[in-house]
Amino acid sequence: SQQGEEDPQALSIQEGENATMNCSYKTSINNLQWYRQNSGRGLVHLILIRSNEREKHSGRLRVTLDTSKKSSSLLITASRAADTASYFCATVMAGGFKTIFGAGTRLFVKA
Amino acid sequence: DAGVTQSPTHLIKTRGQQVTLRCSPKSGHDTVSWYQQALGQGPQFIFQYYEEEERQRGNFPDRFSGHQFPNYSSELNVNALLLGDSALYLCASSLGRGGLMNTEAFFGQGTRLTVV
Repeated sequence: SQQGEEDPQALSIQEGENATMNCSYKTSINNLQWYRQNSGRGLVHLILIRSNEREKHSGRLRVTLDTSKKSSSLLITASRAADTASYFCATVMAGGFKTIFGAGTRLFVKA
Repeated sequence: DAGVTQSPTHLIKTRGQQVTLRCSPKSGHDTVSWYQQALGQGPQFIFQYYEEEERQRGNFPDRFSGHQFPNYSSELNVNALLLGDSALYLCASSLGRGGLMNTEAFFGQGTRLTVV
């Protein structure tokens, strides 16, 4: 099974609302990353949080990491229609180079 | 500065054939990883190349092989294609020297492979 699993699988909100996505993983990690994918094409890197960090911000994005619970969350504030996409968390296992993605959360922001 | 480029963008092959996909990494990057993404799923790690060698491999059969050239570009080869190999194949480049893994990966737009 996949290392990272996102929750919820799909999310539909109104423009201006906040969107929260969660990710759980199974083993010790070097870092956790969040990516966005539009229309099944290439992934765009959003944010990387290291295993010794607890929170990170980038513009309207806020990521938290709880290594004791092996979980992370991505918060998008004041969502826009352009935020409509699939969001994936990805982990690099401690001592390795393999990046493991979850199945993703499909976010739909209604204008 | 060109990002990661992949070719071709689309490809249709017949079951049993062989295919080669190509990837040029972002300028300055020395590590290339390949992923397979089935419809509605997250990308699955195939393997990673660093310094022209396969550094780590995911759970893919030997039909999947690769190569990295001295200029860091890479190829993914799939032999004896199966219908189930139909997917979006993504290449990602990053900085990997010294085993540093706390760097972001840049993805190409992918190659959509359809096996009929």
